[in-house]
Amino acid sequence: EAAVTQSPRNKVTVTGGNVTLSCRQTNSHNYMYWYRQDTGHGLRLIHYSYGAGNLQIGDVPDGYKATRTTQEDFFLLLELASPSQTSLYFCASSGDWGGEQYFGPGTRLTVL
Amino acid sequence: GDSVTQTEGPVTVSESESLIINCTYSATSIAYPNLFWYVRYPGEGLQLLLKVITAGQKGSSRGFEATYNKETTSFHLQKASVQESDSAVYYCALGRGSALGRLHFGAGTQLIVIP
Repeated sequence: EAAVTQSPRNKVTVTGGNVTLSCRQTNSHNYMYWYRQDTGHGLRLIHYSYGAGNLQIGDVPDGYKATRTTQEDFFLLLELASPSQTSLYFCASSGDWGGEQYFGPGTRLTVL
Repeated sequence: GDSVTQTEGPVTVSESESLIINCTYSATSIAYPNLFWYVRYPGEGLQLLLKVITAGQKGSSRGFEATYNKETTSFHLQKASVQESDSAVYYCALGRGSALGRLHFGAGTQLIVIP
């Protein structure tokens, strides 16, 4: 069965801090995604990738960088965190473009 | 761009009663979208509940059903008899055309089933 893990599960940082969220999938999927979820909003796509070294911009990319180092690992970087980035972050993977996405359990980030 | 609107939660239903969670989507393109329902149980990530890619078709899973209605641009989720274990957050989503993998999600509807 598909497995997507995220770390850390919870993170608290201060404004201006540096944060890296990690995601690993063991499904041999080509596509990986980073979303954020805020109260009153659906999940919104930040960045996605279709393979190691590839990065595509999503719908809400401002303030975020991402890097796909291997097929398994996809990282989300917040280099100057702001309170507006306090959110629940989900990583997902899929084997096909438009196919079922498999989600990790989420990382709750608080920026004070 | 595309948007998805769904029933605002929380929705509270007694066990064994019926459920409907409404979902409507914007019709911003002539390309018909793929439509999804995802569910998120407490402490877990989202998981696919059902998917329909053809207008007029019905998807079903775990007792839930949803019919893709292109005339009303709707994809309502229904269940005839809910169980306490159905308590979760339900998300309607769509992907369209060349952006098939760039899903647009509704805000989610929290379902609380009272035993």
